Amino acid sequence: DAGVTQSPTHLIKTRGQQVTLRCSPKSGHDTVSWYQQALGQGPQFIFQYYEEEERQRGNFPDRFSGHQFPNYSSELNVNALLLGDSALYLCASSLRLGGKETQYFGPGTRLLVL
Amino acid sequence: GQNIDQPTEMTATEGAIVQINCTYQTSGFNGLFWYQQHAGEAPTFLSYNVLDGLEEKGRFSSFLSRSKGYSYLLLKELQMKDSASYLCAVRDQDDYKLSFGAGTTVTVRA
Repeated sequence: DAGVTQSPTHLIKTRGQQVTLRCSPKSGHDTVSWYQQALGQGPQFIFQYYEEEERQRGNFPDRFSGHQFPNYSSELNVNALLLGDSALYLCASSLRLGGKETQYFGPGTRLLVL
Repeated sequence: GQNIDQPTEMTATEGAIVQINCTYQTSGFNGLFWYQQHAGEAPTFLSYNVLDGLEEKGRFSSFLSRSKGYSYLLLKELQMKDSASYLCAVRDQDDYKLSFGAGTTVTVRA
């Protein structure tokens, strides 16, 4: 049973560029959430996708956008990169079961903006 | 939003017990989660509490008191591989996201 997968594992970009990160959820899961984790901090919620729609969004600017595909996989896009966007980007997948929904995380994409 | 507080660092000896406390403030409540995160890796799920009381899972146990906005994660028979960051996360009522604390770094010494 494949867990959550993410690509790429590492990425280096320069300020002003755009980046796309990808996530495939755990088998049987239909919901994907994206988090940003700065060094020494807990993950911060970016947004969640369900049924190909953004269901909830955290306090992130519009430069952060996403998409969910019919096969439940998801992309996170960040435009006009800033140095402060350097972080570990985590994807988590889940399946809502009677209100008890546990999010399982992928290995993350480490983004460095120079 | 939520305020989630947990100690920054804890150190314990191999074979000992460590208790990591987490306090939270939330307008509603729909579950508290504990995750373990080794350096450079993704968080892995440890436990979920939605009702008051103790949930035991092998060497790890998690306790919740909703009236006090308090939880703890208890790690028994510590092993070197338990050295990691432990993240407390809360989900609000009618909310989909998890709100995380900054994490507690546990160092296990021989």
